[in-house]
Amino acid sequence: NAGVMQNPRHLVRRRGQEARLRCSPMKGHSHVYWYRQLPEEGLKFMVYLQKENIIDESGMPKERFSAEFPKEGPSILRIQQVVRGDSAAYFCASSPPSEGANSPLHFGNGTRLTVT
Amino acid sequence: KQEVTQIPAALSVPEGENLVLNCSFTDSAIYNLQWFRQDPGKGLTSLLLIQSSQREQTSGRLNASLDKSSGRSTLYIAASQPGDSATYLCAAPYNTDKLIFGTGTRLQVFP
Repeated sequence: NAGVMQNPRHLVRRRGQEARLRCSPMKGHSHVYWYRQLPEEGLKFMVYLQKENIIDESGMPKERFSAEFPKEGPSILRIQQVVRGDSAAYFCASSPPSEGANSPLHFGNGTRLTVT
Repeated sequence: KQEVTQIPAALSVPEGENLVLNCSFTDSAIYNLQWFRQDPGKGLTSLLLIQSSQREQTSGRLNASLDKSSGRSTLYIAASQPGDSATYLCAAPYNTDKLIFGTGTRLQVFP
């Protein structure tokens, strides 16, 4: 049973370009969470999605950032017109549908975004 | 609002020592608390999840306790080994199931 898969592992973008980060949850998991970890800082919640629904996006910056979790395929975190301050590690986590936060979250290895 | 604090921020100990990592949270209306381990350049690995109805959980050399009334949790590591070197994070849920993380304790165990 594969774990949470994130790709790419490393992503380099120039300022103004778009970044697309993908997350495939564990098999059978329908809840996906995105977190951002800035250098020397803790993990900050960004968005919580279930299939085709955004449940909580209170941690998402109001502009340039969007997330989706379609019925088929991986969850996508999209950052438009990237700036240097977007450089961070972005982690995805998943949990099964029946247990929600009472089940341990399973994290992927993250995507390290560098904006030059 | 949930805020999670961890102390110490960093800890360096010789192999074999027993040690305690501390976590405090401001909103005691939690239904669980989780401890994670993060190795450099890697994701997080879930270590222990304590339900609000429990006071502690054990896994091997790890023991986590939870005191909701005081807003505290501790992670006890027995007989530490160099392989335990990592950053340890605690996280408490808030609102719609999202986890709020502390900034972690960076542990180094030297031979």
